[in-house]
Amino acid sequence: QAVVTQPASLSASPGASASLTCTLRSGTNVGDHRICWYQQKPGSPPQFLLRYNSDSDKQKGSGVPSRFSGSKDASANAGILLISGLQSDDEADYYCAIWHNSAWVFGGGTRLTVL
Amino acid sequence: QVHLGQSGAEVRKPGASVKVSCKASGYTFTKYLIHWVRQAPGQGLEWMGMINPSVNNADYAQRFQGRITMTSDASTTTVYMEVNSLGSDDTALYYCARELWPTGDFDYWGQGTLVTVSS
Repeated sequence: QAVVTQPASLSASPGASASLTCTLRSGTNVGDHRICWYQQKPGSPPQFLLRYNSDSDKQKGSGVPSRFSGSKDASANAGILLISGLQSDDEADYYCAIWHNSAWVFGGGTRLTVL
Repeated sequence: QVHLGQSGAEVRKPGASVKVSCKASGYTFTKYLIHWVRQAPGQGLEWMGMINPSVNNADYAQRFQGRITMTSDASTTTVYMEVNSLGSDDTALYYCARELWPTGDFDYWGQGTLVTVSS
């Protein structure tokens, strides 16, 4: 079982909100990990969106709109990237990453379609 | 402004080696780690390892131990990664990215270097 799992795809309508999940493997507690989120558009390198550990330990990337926010769902053992007020420009692949056993581990990515 | 400029595309035969570079500018080179992340065609991101340019010390992902070497040159603010014993599954875009340790934020990325392994 992969350390970090993301749904392969998600669709949402313009103006709506999208909640992207990053589920940690059983035994890997989301409370012990900072979750970093990246956005990647076709033909471009990933772009740092935000890091979320707690409300007192979080950071957003330069120029990232306030529509993007992070949180955790302890009951689901997952990190969450919430995008509100979806725009067509938000259509992209989104990756989460955690530091685990002395290595960075990326989730497989979620392709967000805005239609 | 911060910029990570990577070397150009490479083509190698199976079993060969390749050395890619990442030239940093616009910030204090020795204050940030440099990570290497690769992405096979149509696939996700895979972390390969990192180097601390201030002490030229590298740590590698377990699956690449013994097959990759990362080095840094503070005089040219350039980081290098050499990958040996290339196989077709090493065909990928190789990105460098910087991190202000220990934030974990890969806040700037290079444009990527395409390495193609083909006989």
